[in-house]
Amino acid sequence: DTAVSQTPKYLVTQMGNDKSIKCEQNLGHDTMYWYKQDSKKFLKIMFSYNNKELIINETVPNRFSPKSPDKAHLNLHINSLELGDSAVYFCASTYNRGASPLHFGNGTRLTVT
Amino acid sequence: AQTVTQSQPEMSVQEAETVTLSCTYDTSESNYYLFWYKQPPSRQMILVIRQEAYKQQNATENRFSVNFQKAAKSFSLKISDSQLGDTAMYFCAFGETSGSRLTFGEGTQLTVNP
Repeated sequence: DTAVSQTPKYLVTQMGNDKSIKCEQNLGHDTMYWYKQDSKKFLKIMFSYNNKELIINETVPNRFSPKSPDKAHLNLHINSLELGDSAVYFCASTYNRGASPLHFGNGTRLTVT
Repeated sequence: AQTVTQSQPEMSVQEAETVTLSCTYDTSESNYYLFWYKQPPSRQMILVIRQEAYKQQNATENRFSVNFQKAAKSFSLKISDSQLGDTAMYFCAFGETSGSRLTFGEGTQLTVNP
């Protein structure tokens, strides 16, 4: 199936731990994103990569570090997790053209206890 | 920076009726793209419809249509013949042409009642 797939779907962990979320797309897109959806459902962009190059880096704590080994993959590593990091994290991809809509993964619900 | 505002946090409609969701945005750009996404309880983000700002004709996709008023910076979504499966959170989004950023509104939770 052609899609944006992210793993894991659910992630429950304790404060202070380090965790990673993986994302892969087989749509041939050249741009990938991480969005955070908070408890009020607000979607906020965190990072964007175009052909492995970081092009958008919002005001995000440096505990969050994206890594793009190739244009089909964009992983998100989070160090020293805090309660406020609990959210749903969405990976998305598109062609680097404004008309092209984002294709989203199914999200990873991160719960920090 | 662009901002997108959805002034209706919640709306409800009876099955088979028509409902309109509002969206306004603020930008200094002359060319851009606008989108409506739907997020059902499954949490999946699904593209509903998109509009290119340089096109005056309003986009339509089956039961979904938009009313794009460029001068007023308004982009409302009309859902005709509402179905139970339309129950979802609906997000309006603004897409830049000069970059890759997609900015979302706060969302409108739509409930279709039987």
